[in-house]
Order: sequence, then structure tokens, then C-alpha cells
Amino acid sequence: AQKITQTQPGMFVQEKEAVTLDCTYDTSDQSYGLFWYKQPSSGEMIFLIYQGSYDEQNATEGRYSLNFQKARKSANLVISASQLGDSAMYFCAMSLMDSNYQLIWGAGTKLIIKP
Amino acid sequence: DSGVTQTPKHLITATGQRVTLRCSPRSGDLSVYWYQQSLDQGLQFLIQYYNGEERAKGNILERFSAQQFPDLHSELNLSSLELGDSALYFCASSPSGGSNQPQHFGDGTRLSIL
Repeated sequence: AQKITQTQPGMFVQEKEAVTLDCTYDTSDQSYGLFWYKQPSSGEMIFLIYQGSYDEQNATEGRYSLNFQKARKSANLVISASQLGDSAMYFCAMSLMDSNYQLIWGAGTKLIIKP
Repeated sequence: DSGVTQTPKHLITATGQRVTLRCSPRSGDLSVYWYQQSLDQGLQFLIQYYNGEERAKGNILERFSAQQFPDLHSELNLSSLELGDSALYFCASSPSGGSNQPQHFGDGTRLSIL
């Protein structure tokens, strides 16, 4: 079954520390995409980073990087030098060619950055 | 700003009523997706349109319908509303709907059923 698992319901991190949010996925498809989105308390859904299943290099976008380990089926998000504004829900999602690229979502991780 | 516009931002209505949610995709994007985010079900895919044609259907109830117009804006129609339909409804768009294309989301419409 196609599934995304985020095992950390919530995390507290000290400001300026790096944080890793875990995501594992389950699919037998060879072609898929992995995404991370941020949802602040105001509710909007903000795209952070993307990794394709055939990409050999880990994706990076500013302070965000995706630690892609294909054999382990994991796609962890790493936020370097966390800031107070990083406090939000973070969702890992997967799109599959065989499912017309609809996003399959994890349950999310609530990240709180402590000053 | 994602470039995806959703209206209205908030909607309060009663059971049994019908509402229409509107979405304008980012300029140049042909594919529109609708998602529902509720407390008990999390985020769920509802339906996808590409250039005016329905492309994929997810967990969309028969009481719900959608369409994409020639100018590429999309509407999600919810009828015979029930308390359980209270949720945040998102529209997202992408250029063509491929897996290597991030979906960019609007700010959502928060629907409350009283």
C-alpha cells in the first residue's frame, strides 16, 4: 500500500539548532516524488522542497535539505539553524506516476522552536 | 505568495446547504488539485483537473463535485452539507501534473458547518 509515515507527532528544538524531521514512505512504484510542506498556525500550506526518485543528489533549498535514502525508503527533512518562525506543522508527501501524481500525505510533525 | 488564489477564505453555513469554493491557479499552471484537511482524516486528495478535463478522483463524496473552466479556474461544489464536512479545503496547482512538479497551494477555504 502507498503510505507516508511521520513518526514524530511533535518536537521541541532550541533556536539556532539543526532539526531533522523523519519521513518514511512505502511504495512499489519506481517513479515517484517526495515533498515537504510547512503549515504555520495561520493555515496556509507552503512548499519547501522536492526530491525525485531518480535524483541522485539530495535536494537543498536554502536552510532546508532533504536526506534521501532510497534503500531505506526515507526522506527526512533537515532544517539548519532553526528560527522561531520555523514553528509550524510539517508534512511529508509523496506523488506517484501511477496515481496521476495526487499527493499522499503523512500525519505531520508539529515543530516548536524554543527561544 | 504561492500565486494560487482561493475564495472565500472563510465560509459558515448550516447543514443541508450548498456552497461553492473557487480557485484560480498560478499563471501558466494547467493542473488543479483539491484537497480536504480535517482533524480526524488529515489531508486527503479529492479530485484533479488538467486543462479542463477531470484526470483523477480520490476520496470525493458523491455530494461533492468540481469543474475546471476554460480560463482554468476551478470550482468545488459541496451540497447537502453535513457537520462532518467542516474542514479546510485547499486548492493546489502545477504546470502539468507531473511528479517532478511541486504543487503550490492556495491559502485554503475554512468551511464551518453549524
